[in-house]
Amino acid sequence: DAGITQSPRYKITETGRQVTLMCHQTWSHSYMFWYRQDLGHGLRLIYYSAAADITDKGEVPDGYVVSRSKTENFPLTLESATRSQTSVYFCASIGTSGNTGELFFGEGSRLTVL
Amino acid sequence: KQEVTQIPAALSVPEGENLVLNCSFTDSAIYNLQWFRQDPGKGLTSLLLIQSSQREQTSGRLNASLDKSSGRSTLYIAASQPGDSATYLCAVTGANNLFFGTGTRLTVIP
Repeated sequence: DAGITQSPRYKITETGRQVTLMCHQTWSHSYMFWYRQDLGHGLRLIYYSAAADITDKGEVPDGYVVSRSKTENFPLTLESATRSQTSVYFCASIGTSGNTGELFFGEGSRLTVL
Repeated sequence: KQEVTQIPAALSVPEGENLVLNCSFTDSAIYNLQWFRQDPGKGLTSLLLIQSSQREQTSGRLNASLDKSSGRSTLYIAASQPGDSATYLCAVTGANNLFFGTGTRLTVIP
């Protein structure tokens, strides 16, 4: 099915472990985003990508790494997970060639860091 | 930095009532404003997208308006139904970011 898929949907890990959250979209959208959603903070942008091999920091990038070797994939890696990174992570893409179109979200990845 | 505020944080209404959700933003230099719905444990679903040059958009029972000069948008829901119960978020697009409000949690009581 077309759309944005995230995996895993649920993940429990321990402090200090590396975790990668996957995001795949089937539309060939140029812009992709990673957000985290926390109570009291709403949605905050971690990283975004305007195209393959082009990424940039958002509001809360510390502790995260992204890559975009292919247009359809935008993985997010926590190199050494911390408890403060317990959150729900959402991947999104914009449905136009620029950044002014409609935003589409994946179902989210719920990460718990013990 | 753009600040997006949604008031009220929560709202309960009886079924059939018309209601208005509010979104305000501090920087009027936006490309567009988008309204989303989020059900518990789910991602965000786009409801309406208003470009900066537009004043309103309509989809079914939903109507969203945009007043850039005053930094405000409203989402009007007509004849509310229990299935409309969800959290509604607005987001504004700037040069290199989207800024989200923290949402209004709507409960429609049968």
